[in-house]
Amino acid sequence: DTGVSQDPRHKITKRGQNVTFRCDPISEHNRLYWYRQTLGQGPEFLTYFQNEAQLEKSRLLSDRFSAERPKGSFSTLEIQRTEQGDSAMYLCASSFLAGIDEQFFGPGTRLTVL
Amino acid sequence: EDQVTQSPEALRLQEGESSSLNCSYTVSGLRGLFWYRQDPGKGPEFLFTLYSAGEEKEKERLKATLTKKESFLHITAPKPEDSATYLCAPSKEAGGSYIPTFGRGTSLIVHP
Repeated sequence: DTGVSQDPRHKITKRGQNVTFRCDPISEHNRLYWYRQTLGQGPEFLTYFQNEAQLEKSRLLSDRFSAERPKGSFSTLEIQRTEQGDSAMYLCASSFLAGIDEQFFGPGTRLTVL
Repeated sequence: EDQVTQSPEALRLQEGESSSLNCSYTVSGLRGLFWYRQDPGKGPEFLFTLYSAGEEKEKERLKATLTKKESFLHITAPKPEDSATYLCAPSKEAGGSYIPTFGRGTSLIVHP
């Protein structure tokens, strides 16, 4: 399977704990995006990488959130001191560096904060 | 502030009953508009990119059109497997890429 993969698919944690998600993009894609989606809403942009550089961050990305893409391949999204409001589906997408290019999404990581 | 409104929120059709979904938007610096399909519990699946007013694109039973303020997704003779949530996402340039603002989607159910 050469699509975008995410791990884990589901994560249940207690309030105050830290969690980390991983995204592996399509291999030749330079751009990588993180989104958050809550029930009944469309995906909301969080942040974007071109290769290893983080070039754009949303106001939604509070200080408790950090994302990395150290070698320009896979990416991690960490949430520190989780809150119940962090419960959502976290989606990763990738695209090829070429204009207004479509983004290919992974299956998402569903986070539940108890 | 950028806004995207999709209507209707939910739509039930009989198999073969054609209809249209609407996406109206106010996005400054629009650089293309995406349509995605999303099945429950899965990530969105890319359908179309429209770049300029007047453009149309087709794929099987779907046709997407774009004006300066709206986009329509026309579904001709739908089948039950077309049941999904359809997401509209106008995009704008940021950080060297094109970041989409997604609407809440239209949930489509096609009954056999």
